[in-house]
Amino acid sequence: DAKTTQPTSMDCAEGRAANLPCNHSTISGNEYVYWYRQIHSQGPQYIIHGLKNNETNEMASLIITEDRKSSTLILPHATLRDTAVYYCIVRVPFIPGNTGKLIFGQGTTLQVKP
Amino acid sequence: DVKVTQSSRYLVKRTGEKVFLECVQDMDHENMFWYRQDPGLGLRLIYFSYDVKMKEKGDIPEGYSVSREKKERFSLILESASTNQTSMYLCASSRAGGSYNEQFFGPGTRLTVL
Repeated sequence: DAKTTQPTSMDCAEGRAANLPCNHSTISGNEYVYWYRQIHSQGPQYIIHGLKNNETNEMASLIITEDRKSSTLILPHATLRDTAVYYCIVRVPFIPGNTGKLIFGQGTTLQVKP
Repeated sequence: DVKVTQSSRYLVKRTGEKVFLECVQDMDHENMFWYRQDPGLGLRLIYFSYDVKMKEKGDIPEGYSVSREKKERFSLILESASTNQTSMYLCASSRAGGSYNEQFFGPGTRLTVL
């Protein structure tokens, strides 16, 4: 699975958009980009995933560059409850015989401030 | 609402004790995973299972075993607990196959081995 690089920490004002970048320059053609977050003392929570098209759901938007070497997770209106560690993960989908594990790096600690 | 539950949030055991960590999911998922999370090391896969009675070793299986007798339940067993197994243990489940392998995590069990 391709390696990802994320900033260690970011701040965002409450109500503003939070834009979290992720570099994955070695991504291969069949690897998806997944985003999870982990709020303190809780298990990780899935946010969104994509292959090459931009994606949006009720939680966030995912923008993937045309060359797929980087992506940005956008929380459109950050709240204090969005304070968490955000993980960008690149991997092939799970298939029988494949480990199926998610490799969580250090992630980005997002602090949403009032 | 989908749910992964773990038997305990906090557990304190003594060195040498046999420890059972239980995980139950109500989503009829085929795949289940056990991770441990340690500061600076991220999440590491211990074992996973893609079917009842099937199990596969992850990255750090030493000192652990698992049991999956029913589809909804995946147990992690520490045969003889040691202090270096003090950690946060996270269970996850996901559907089988396809491009969409969102993993749902439980709240975690913080285990302390004295």
